[in-house]
Amino acid sequence: KQEVTQIPAALSVPEGENLVLNCSFTDSAIYNLQWFRQDPGKGLTSLLLIQSSQREQTSGRLNASLDKSSGRSTLYIAASQPGDSATYLCAAPFSGGYQKVTFGTGTKLQVIP
Amino acid sequence: DVKVTQSSRYLVKRTGEKVFLECVQDMDHENMFWYRQDPGLGLRLIYFSYDVKMKEKGDIPEGYSVSREKKERFSLILESASTNQTSMYLCASSLLASSTDTQYFGPGTRLTVL
Repeated sequence: KQEVTQIPAALSVPEGENLVLNCSFTDSAIYNLQWFRQDPGKGLTSLLLIQSSQREQTSGRLNASLDKSSGRSTLYIAASQPGDSATYLCAAPFSGGYQKVTFGTGTKLQVIP
Repeated sequence: DVKVTQSSRYLVKRTGEKVFLECVQDMDHENMFWYRQDPGLGLRLIYFSYDVKMKEKGDIPEGYSVSREKKERFSLILESASTNQTSMYLCASSLLASSTDTQYFGPGTRLTVL
């Protein structure tokens, strides 16, 4: 079964800093990897989806990379803002499937003004 | 924009009650999912459906059942609620059963079983 790990569990940075969130997964035969944002008490919002044939995806100040061989993905946030404060989760499909996914437990980010 | 709605934001039930959680999506998505989210355990998949009347078990199906009679609606049923089912329940949908697509989530239902 796919296992997804996110370290650290929490991160606090000053506003304006560039930062990297890490995600590792055990089964490198994945179809895709997704990054989500979750605000307190709310559902998840999709940020980026990287297909297995891609190495990275960009959306505004966010850039996600995927290295299947090492079982790692990173989410880079440029010029962080207080509004970026949230929990960030990555998710990868179950081994042998592609619609059912395993989520990491998330990294809780706080951007201090 | 895709919209996924859930019938309740907060729900309080008593042990042994039958509980229905409903989820509706408005974008003709084929796949629908039910997850629960608990501190320290993250999101765990309960059930998944890729078509009307079709369902697949996820990681933790015990104590739950699901129903998908219409494409846009996916219901989670707790036949006899127990205190260990107190959790945040999240519904999601994605476009095609035959490809890898982004999942779109509803706002969640926080269920408390007393």
